[in-house]
Amino acid sequence: GIQVEQSPPDLILQEGANSTLRCNFSDSVNNLQWFHQNPWGQLINLFYIPSGTKQNGRLSATTVATERYSLLYISSSQTTDSGVYFCAVEGLGNRDDKIIFGKGTRLHILP
Amino acid sequence: GAVVSQHPSWVICKSGTSVKIECRSLDFQATTMFWYRQFPKQSLMLMATSNEGSKATYEQGVEKDKFLINHASLTLSTLTVTSAHPEDSSFYICGSEDGTGSYEQYFGPGTRLTVT
Repeated sequence: GIQVEQSPPDLILQEGANSTLRCNFSDSVNNLQWFHQNPWGQLINLFYIPSGTKQNGRLSATTVATERYSLLYISSSQTTDSGVYFCAVEGLGNRDDKIIFGKGTRLHILP
Repeated sequence: GAVVSQHPSWVICKSGTSVKIECRSLDFQATTMFWYRQFPKQSLMLMATSNEGSKATYEQGVEKDKFLINHASLTLSTLTVTSAHPEDSSFYICGSEDGTGSYEQYFGPGTRLTVT
Protein backbone atom coordinates (compact mmCIF):
# COMPACT_ATOMS: atom_id res chain seq x y z
CA GLY A 1 0.00 0.00 0.00
CA ILE A 2 0.88 3.64 -0.21
CA GLN A 3 3.39 4.97 2.32
CA VAL A 4 3.18 8.39 3.93
CA GLU A 5 6.09 10.05 5.71
CA GLN A 6 5.91 13.33 7.56
CA SER A 7 8.74 15.51 8.77
CA PRO A 8 9.82 16.77 11.15
CA PRO A 9 8.19 14.59 13.82
CA ASP A 10 8.41 17.37 16.38
CA LEU A 11 8.80 21.11 16.08
CA ILE A 12 9.10 23.75 18.79
CA LEU A 13 8.88 27.38 17.76
CA GLN A 14 8.49 30.78 19.30
CA GLU A 15 5.24 32.61 18.71
CA GLY A 16 5.46 34.64 15.52
CA ALA A 17 7.81 32.26 13.73
CA ASN A 18 7.07 30.60 10.42
CA SER A 19 7.15 26.86 9.84
CA THR A 20 7.12 24.35 7.01
CA LEU A 21 5.81 20.81 7.44
CA ARG A 22 6.49 18.19 4.82
CA CYS A 23 4.60 15.11 3.63
CA ASN A 24 6.16 12.59 1.26
CA PHE A 25 4.10 9.83 -0.32
CA SER A 26 5.11 6.78 -2.27
CA ASP A 27 2.57 6.66 -5.10
CA SER A 28 0.20 8.80 -7.13
CA VAL A 29 -2.82 10.02 -5.20
CA ASN A 30 -6.50 10.81 -5.65
CA ASN A 31 -6.63 12.67 -2.40
CA LEU A 32 -4.25 14.43 -0.09
CA GLN A 33 -5.49 16.24 2.96
CA TRP A 34 -3.90 18.16 5.80
CA PHE A 35 -5.51 18.06 9.23
CA HIS A 36 -4.89 19.72 12.54
CA GLN A 37 -5.78 17.59 15.53
CA ASN A 38 -6.76 19.81 18.41
CA PRO A 39 -6.14 18.96 22.09
CA TRP A 40 -9.57 17.30 22.31
CA GLY A 41 -8.77 14.98 19.44
CA GLN A 42 -10.96 16.56 16.78
CA LEU A 43 -9.50 16.49 13.30
CA ILE A 44 -9.86 19.88 11.70
CA ASN A 45 -9.79 19.87 7.90
CA LEU A 46 -7.14 22.34 6.75
CA PHE A 47 -6.70 21.60 3.07
CA TYR A 48 -7.88 19.16 0.45
CA ILE A 49 -4.98 19.43 -1.97
CA PRO A 50 -4.11 16.49 -4.25
CA SER A 51 -2.22 19.00 -6.41
CA GLY A 52 -1.51 22.71 -6.67
CA THR A 53 -1.43 25.46 -4.08
CA LYS A 54 -4.04 26.78 -1.70
CA GLN A 55 -4.06 29.44 0.96
CA ASN A 56 -6.31 30.09 3.92
CA GLY A 57 -5.26 32.99 6.09
CA ARG A 58 -1.90 32.27 7.69
CA LEU A 59 -1.88 28.74 6.35
CA SER A 60 -1.01 27.62 2.87
CA ALA A 61 -0.23 24.31 1.24
CA THR A 62 1.43 23.11 -1.92
CA THR A 63 1.36 19.63 -3.40
CA VAL A 64 3.75 18.67 -6.18
CA ALA A 65 2.08 15.48 -7.31
CA THR A 66 4.74 14.57 -9.87
CA GLU A 67 7.39 14.63 -7.15
CA ARG A 68 5.13 13.07 -4.54
CA TYR A 69 5.32 15.58 -1.76
CA SER A 70 3.23 18.23 -0.10
CA LEU A 71 4.18 21.15 2.12
CA LEU A 72 2.13 22.94 4.75
CA TYR A 73 3.23 26.46 5.61
CA ILE A 74 2.23 28.22 8.80
CA SER A 75 3.15 31.88 9.03
CA SER A 76 3.24 34.09 12.11
CA SER A 77 2.58 31.13 14.41
CA GLN A 78 0.23 31.53 17.35
CA THR A 79 -0.03 29.40 20.46
CA THR A 80 -3.37 28.14 19.21
CA ASP A 81 -1.55 26.55 16.28
CA SER A 82 -0.05 24.01 18.67
CA GLY A 83 -1.11 20.43 18.16
CA VAL A 84 -0.52 17.61 15.75
CA TYR A 85 -0.65 18.09 12.00
CA PHE A 86 -1.47 15.06 9.90
CA CYS A 87 -1.14 14.45 6.21
CA ALA A 88 -3.44 11.75 4.81
CA VAL A 89 -3.57 10.33 1.30
CA GLU A 90 -5.64 8.04 -0.87
CA GLY A 91 -3.71 6.17 -3.53
CA LEU A 92 -4.71 6.67 -7.16
CA GLY A 93 -5.29 2.99 -7.77
CA ASN A 94 -7.34 2.61 -4.61
CA ARG A 95 -10.93 1.60 -5.25
CA ASP A 96 -12.25 1.73 -1.71
CA ASP A 97 -11.63 5.43 -0.98
CA LYS A 98 -9.80 4.84 2.29
CA ILE A 99 -7.15 7.33 3.30
CA ILE A 100 -3.93 6.55 5.10
CA PHE A 101 -2.45 8.89 7.68
CA GLY A 102 1.16 9.81 8.21
CA LYS A 103 2.57 9.77 11.71
CA GLY A 104 2.10 13.49 12.10
CA THR A 105 4.16 16.49 13.10
CA ARG A 106 3.74 17.63 16.69
CA LEU A 107 3.99 21.42 16.75
CA HIS A 108 4.46 23.34 19.96
CA ILE A 109 4.32 27.14 19.82
CA LEU A 110 5.85 28.89 22.81
CA PRO A 111 4.37 32.19 24.01
CA GLY B 1 -18.05 21.22 4.95
CA ALA B 2 -19.85 18.04 5.84
CA VAL B 3 -20.62 17.32 9.49
CA VAL B 4 -20.00 14.01 11.19
CA SER B 5 -21.02 13.36 14.77
CA GLN B 6 -20.09 10.63 17.20
CA HIS B 7 -21.70 9.43 20.37
CA PRO B 8 -20.66 9.09 23.07
CA SER B 9 -17.69 11.44 23.22
CA TRP B 10 -16.22 9.40 26.03
CA VAL B 11 -17.12 6.19 27.81
CA ILE B 12 -15.73 4.16 30.69
CA CYS B 13 -16.66 0.50 30.90
CA LYS B 14 -15.63 -2.57 32.82
CA SER B 15 -13.67 -5.43 31.36
CA GLY B 16 -15.87 -7.98 29.69
CA THR B 17 -18.67 -5.60 28.79
CA SER B 18 -19.57 -4.34 25.32
CA VAL B 19 -19.65 -0.75 24.17
CA LYS B 20 -21.39 0.71 21.14
CA ILE B 21 -20.14 3.84 19.41
CA GLU B 22 -22.33 5.67 16.91
CA CYS B 23 -21.15 7.65 13.91
CA ARG B 24 -23.67 9.83 12.08
CA SER B 25 -23.46 11.93 8.97
CA LEU B 26 -25.64 14.92 9.79
CA ASP B 27 -26.01 16.72 6.48
CA PHE B 28 -25.14 14.14 3.86
CA GLN B 29 -25.60 10.49 3.05
CA ALA B 30 -22.65 8.18 3.45
CA THR B 31 -22.55 4.84 1.68
CA THR B 32 -19.11 4.28 3.14
CA MET B 33 -17.68 5.24 6.51
CA PHE B 34 -14.26 4.53 7.93
CA TRP B 35 -13.32 3.63 11.49
CA TYR B 36 -9.93 4.51 12.92
CA ARG B 37 -8.32 4.05 16.30
CA GLN B 38 -5.60 6.18 17.79
CA PHE B 39 -3.36 5.36 20.73
CA PRO B 40 -1.79 8.20 22.73
CA LYS B 41 0.80 10.17 20.78
CA GLN B 42 0.35 7.96 17.74
CA SER B 43 -1.25 8.29 14.35
CA LEU B 44 -4.66 7.13 13.24
CA MET B 45 -4.82 3.52 12.16
CA LEU B 46 -7.60 2.40 9.86
CA MET B 47 -9.58 -0.44 11.40
CA ALA B 48 -12.33 -1.08 8.92
CA THR B 49 -14.46 0.26 6.12
CA SER B 50 -18.17 0.29 6.85
CA ASN B 51 -20.42 -0.24 3.84
CA GLU B 52 -24.12 0.60 3.95
CA GLY B 53 -26.20 -2.52 3.59
CA SER B 54 -23.30 -4.94 3.43
CA LYS B 55 -20.51 -6.38 5.52
CA ALA B 56 -17.65 -4.25 6.70
CA THR B 57 -14.16 -4.69 5.34
CA TYR B 58 -11.56 -5.09 8.07
CA GLU B 59 -7.90 -4.22 7.86
CA GLN B 60 -5.35 -6.91 8.47
CA GLY B 61 -4.92 -7.69 12.14
CA VAL B 62 -8.29 -6.28 13.23
CA GLU B 63 -10.56 -8.87 14.83
CA LYS B 64 -13.94 -8.64 13.16
CA ASP B 65 -15.66 -10.60 15.93
CA LYS B 66 -14.36 -8.17 18.51
CA PHE B 67 -15.09 -4.97 16.63
CA LEU B 68 -18.57 -5.37 15.19
CA ILE B 69 -19.56 -2.82 12.60
CA ASN B 70 -23.08 -2.18 11.40
CA HIS B 71 -24.01 0.33 8.72
CA ALA B 72 -27.76 0.00 8.62
CA SER B 73 -28.60 3.33 7.04
CA LEU B 74 -27.00 5.99 4.90
CA THR B 75 -26.47 8.23 7.92
CA LEU B 76 -25.47 5.84 10.69
CA SER B 77 -22.63 3.42 11.28
CA THR B 78 -21.98 1.78 14.63
CA LEU B 79 -18.87 0.18 16.09
CA THR B 80 -19.39 -2.24 18.96
CA VAL B 81 -16.39 -3.26 20.99
CA THR B 82 -17.33 -6.65 22.41
CA SER B 83 -15.92 -8.17 25.59
CA ALA B 84 -13.76 -5.13 26.09
CA HIS B 85 -10.31 -5.41 27.64
CA PRO B 86 -8.06 -2.66 28.98
CA GLU B 87 -5.93 -2.89 25.83
CA ASP B 88 -8.99 -1.79 23.83
CA SER B 89 -8.78 1.57 25.57
CA SER B 90 -8.17 4.05 22.80
CA PHE B 91 -9.55 6.97 20.84
CA TYR B 92 -11.93 5.88 18.07
CA ILE B 93 -12.72 8.20 15.15
CA CYS B 94 -15.02 7.75 12.20
CA GLY B 95 -14.89 9.53 8.88
CA SER B 96 -16.53 9.69 5.51
CA GLU B 97 -16.57 11.39 2.15
CA ASP B 98 -19.39 13.91 1.84
CA GLY B 99 -21.19 12.25 -1.04
CA THR B 100 -20.59 15.06 -3.52
CA GLY B 101 -18.10 13.08 -5.57
CA SER B 102 -15.13 14.84 -4.02
CA TYR B 103 -12.53 12.65 -2.39
CA GLU B 104 -12.30 14.97 0.61
CA GLN B 105 -13.06 13.24 3.91
CA TYR B 106 -14.58 14.59 7.11
CA PHE B 107 -14.23 13.19 10.58
CA GLY B 108 -16.26 12.98 13.73
CA PRO B 109 -15.00 14.38 17.04
CA GLY B 110 -13.96 10.95 18.26
CA THR B 111 -14.86 8.72 21.18
CA ARG B 112 -12.47 8.08 24.02
CA LEU B 113 -12.92 4.57 25.42
CA THR B 114 -11.45 3.58 28.75
CA VAL B 115 -11.80 -0.02 29.87
CA THR B 116 -11.17 -0.65 33.55
